[in-house]
Parts: sequence; C-alpha cells; structure tokens
Amino acid sequence: QKEVEQDPGPLSVPEGAIVSLNCTYSNSAFQYFMWYRQYSRKGPELLMYTYSSGNKEDGRFTAQVDKSSKYISLFIRDSQPSDSATYLCAMSEGGNNRKLIWGLGTSLAVNP
Amino acid sequence: DVKVTQSSRYLVKRTGEKVFLECVQDMDHENMFWYRQDPGLGLRLIYFSYDVKMKEKGDIPEGYSVSREKKERFSLILESASTNQTSMYLCASIPDRGVYNEQFFGPGTRLTVL
Repeated sequence: QKEVEQDPGPLSVPEGAIVSLNCTYSNSAFQYFMWYRQYSRKGPELLMYTYSSGNKEDGRFTAQVDKSSKYISLFIRDSQPSDSATYLCAMSEGGNNRKLIWGLGTSLAVNP
Repeated sequence: DVKVTQSSRYLVKRTGEKVFLECVQDMDHENMFWYRQDPGLGLRLIYFSYDVKMKEKGDIPEGYSVSREKKERFSLILESASTNQTSMYLCASIPDRGVYNEQFFGPGTRLTVL
C-alpha cells in the first residue's frame, strides 16, 4: 500500500460545478498537508496548505483535513475552465524532514 | 519573485550518452530536489541536497548521480542514458526557514532517450 493514495481520474465537470478532490494516507506522523496545482507543461505550484486538522478557505478553494480518518479534501466552488489542471496532494512530517510524500495527482477538466 | 530555472525545456539524447540537467534557484534556498514525473507513477524523488556538497538518495537513485558545488545550482547526471529514463524531470527548492515545506518548482525538462 502506498503511503498516500489519490485517484488519478480523469475528472470532467461542467463549468460552475463543485469539485471534490481527495487523498488518503497511512502515516499518522504527517502534520502538513498541501495541495499543488500543475498546469500542462509546467511545474507544480502550491495552491493551499493546512497544518494538522481543520479547514482552510481561500476564495473558491477549501482544504479540509481529517486526521482521525487520515483523509484530506480539496473543494473547488464555481469551477472555471482555468481550473483545468492536475491537482496533487502532498504531505510532510515537518520539522527537519523536508521531504514531501506525493499523491499521483488527479487530472481535472472543467468544460465551458 | 521566486525563481527556479532549468537549463532545457526539451532534450533528446541517444542511449549511452552522458546527460547533464542543470537547475538554478535565486532564492538562497538550502534544500534542492530532483524528481521525475511519469504518467501513472506521479512524482518520484531521485536525489536531494540539504547543503552545498551534500546529497542524499531519494526513492529511485539508480542510474543517476548529482552534484551541488554551489548553493544555487543542483545538477542531475545520467551517466549512461537509457530509454527507460525518458521522462519529465523537475527540480525544486525550499528554504530551511519556514514551518512548512512549500517546494518551489522549475518548469521541467522533458527528456527523450532514443
């Protein structure tokens, strides 16, 4: 079993839909949870991060972490064609450990 | 504005050639990483470096080596390129300071080995 599991999709939704992206993990020592967005032919860019459990909102994006279930989610409200990208979850124990453990990424297409 | 640059966007090499991929960051970051990204396999860590002249193996170091002679530059070397090293190669860096591990990525080098 991989340390971080993420459904690669592809996911295709109409413009304006609410999108839910998810990852599960097995390492209870993870403290930092991140979502990266990667457009075609570009490197990933940090979209949101959360420390420990809870919710974080930034505009149309909401990140949720449930450490008891070892489950994280990214919600996109009022999705736009410009949101079409691959979304990767990443996790870290933090502290002196600078390595990130990555999900495979979910490919999202938002259709106008 | 933070910046990580990679020497080539696209590269085509022949089997057996020695290949150098260069990465430069202008953010004075201590930590640098080399990944490869393949469909269905995601991002896989090849090597990383915590400081000048220091290196640590990642998850798939076989067939690769690295060099970090200066803080801003981290080079990935394919000693004898093989077709199974055809991939997208991504470099990233992060500082020692800061409480979470936001990695800043370069644009990637798509390497094809014929």
